[in-house]
Amino acid sequence: DVKVTQSSRYLVKRTGEKVFLECVQDMDHENMFWYRQDPGLGLRLIYFSYDVKMKEKGDIPEGYSVSREKKERFSLILESASTNQTSMYLCASSLSGRGNTIYFGEGSWLTVV
Amino acid sequence: TQLLEQSPQFLSIQEGENLTVYCNSSSVFSSLQWYRQEPGEGPVLLVTVVTGGEVKKLKRLTFQFGDARKDSSLHITAAQPGDTGLYLCAGGDQTGANNLFFGTGTRLTVIP
Repeated sequence: DVKVTQSSRYLVKRTGEKVFLECVQDMDHENMFWYRQDPGLGLRLIYFSYDVKMKEKGDIPEGYSVSREKKERFSLILESASTNQTSMYLCASSLSGRGNTIYFGEGSWLTVV
Repeated sequence: TQLLEQSPQFLSIQEGENLTVYCNSSSVFSSLQWYRQEPGEGPVLLVTVVTGGEVKKLKRLTFQFGDARKDSSLHITAAQPGDTGLYLCAGGDQTGANNLFFGTGTRLTVIP
């Protein structure tokens, strides 16, 4: 079974803190994604990566950066957390190519106070 | 960004009833996927449809992709409490990228 593991399920951070969200997948997938999910807005893509050290901006990259130093690991970084970044963050991975299934992690609930 | 609107946003029905959820866009998609998400978990893929007009059945769930590949529907027959969850449609990027564009979601509650 494909496993996408997000290191932190629940985090509470203060405004201005630097936040790292880690994600690891065990199926040798080329593609990895970070989404945020907010009520009424669905899932919105923050960044995705199609290979090691490669990254592409999604729909809402502002305030975020990412790192992919190894194929299995994709990190989301909030350089200076703000209250409007309080959300559920979902990591996902897939094989390259169209129409492949995207597998999601269980999500990380981040609250910025 | 290619927008996908789902309707209804919320749906509460009695066990045994039928229901249809709609997913509409002005954009054309290479494929359309439906996911279900339960509280505290990530979305899980239910089905992928890739051909305009395609219909797929998964037990009591019937999925249809519109002829023009801009819209889709999910029909559930004789809903059960276990069907409760957030249903998300997602369209595949026509440009060839591996990205999916997600709909706004339909939260279904089936009351025993």
